[in-house]
Formats: sequence, structure tokens, C-alpha cells
Amino acid sequence: EAGVTQSPTHLIKTRGQQATLRCSPISGHTSVYWYQQALGLGLQFLLWYDEGEERNRGNFPPRFSGRQFPNYSSELNVNALELEDSALYLCASSPGTGLGEQYFGPGTRLTVT
Amino acid sequence: AQSVSQHNHHVILSEAASLELGCNYSYGGTVNLFWYVQYPGQHLQLLLKYFSGDPLVKGIKGFEAEFIKSKFSFNLRKPSVQWSDTAEYFCAVNAGYGGATNKLIFGTGTLLAVQP
Repeated sequence: EAGVTQSPTHLIKTRGQQATLRCSPISGHTSVYWYQQALGLGLQFLLWYDEGEERNRGNFPPRFSGRQFPNYSSELNVNALELEDSALYLCASSPGTGLGEQYFGPGTRLTVT
Repeated sequence: AQSVSQHNHHVILSEAASLELGCNYSYGGTVNLFWYVQYPGQHLQLLLKYFSGDPLVKGIKGFEAEFIKSKFSFNLRKPSVQWSDTAEYFCAVNAGYGGATNKLIFGTGTLLAVQP
């Protein structure tokens, strides 16, 4: 069974630009989650999508947004990039019949210069 | 606010030593509990999970964890560590499963180094 995949692996952007990160969940999983792992801040919940809808949002500004497509894949958009947005962005997925466990992808390393 | 505390930030052990990593959470209601592991160069993997029933749960690679509700704890244990257990370990809680606040709240992680 293929795991969660994310692209790109690395992304380098300049402050003020926009970044788009992509995620494909495990086949059969309907929920996708995004987390930020920044140095010194640990893993922070960003967004949860289920059946194409945003269900929950973490304590992040509106310039962090995303969407989920009909095939359950998802993209995370970060507008007006700031230096502190540099982090590893992790995507996770879970089955609709699960009990809260989430399965993680390898992440996208975003560097803002 | 809900939070997860991992008291050991960096642990160094010799092979064959026993391991116990502490995890405490702050939430009075029903929670689902998880330990994740991140081996060097690899992504986060689910090590074990607790939903209900027997408070002693067994995971992969000989790891186990005990849920003590009265202490709000979910400590990870392994009787005899191996060099290959060198990794970062994260405790996580999902207090909102099934509702609008479904998300994992992670501890800050414990870096385990096992010396051969």
C-alpha cells in the first residue's frame, strides 16, 4: 500500500512570494491534515480537510489556506511568505472509519529567504 | 488549552538498557493517544495507539505504552533497546476525534540516542 506522498521535497521562495505544497493521501483515506514543524516550535496543527471541506483550522493567519480535491488530494497555499514560515510542512491522512490515528508523509521543506 | 508534555528532551542509553519515555497530557475528557517515531532521514511513523480497553498497549518493534488515566500519562517503554531504536519519539493526543476539533496535539519530542 502506497503511503502519503508530498511534493515538492524542497521549496525555496523569497519573502512575499506564494508557495503551493501538494499532498496525496493513502488510497481510501478521505481526511487530509497539514502540520507545520518549525525549529523550536514542534509540530503544530494547521488544517484539516475532509470530503472536500475545511473542517478545522489551527492558530495560523488566513494567508495559510488550502483545499481538497475530489480525489482527496490536497494542496496547501501560503501567501505573502515571511521568513518565519520556513519549516517542514507535513501532510497526514486518515480513513473515515479510523479512530483519530493519522499517517504522515515525508514532508516538504520550505525555505523562505 | 490542551497540551502534551514530554519531560525527557534528550536520552542517551547503551544497547540492552531499558527505556521509559514520559508523556503527560492536559485534557479531562476522553482522548485517543499515540506514540510516533521518526528515524533519521525517515518520516513520522505510528508506533502504537490507545483508544480504549486494556491500558497496556503493544506496538511495533517491541515497544509498549501504559495509559494511566488518573495520572493523565501515556509512557512509552521498551525492555531492551537496540542501536536501531535511535530516533526521535513524539507523544500525541487526539481529544477531538469525531468532532469539529479533530486534530493531533504533539509533545515536543524526545531524541533517543542508543550507543552500541
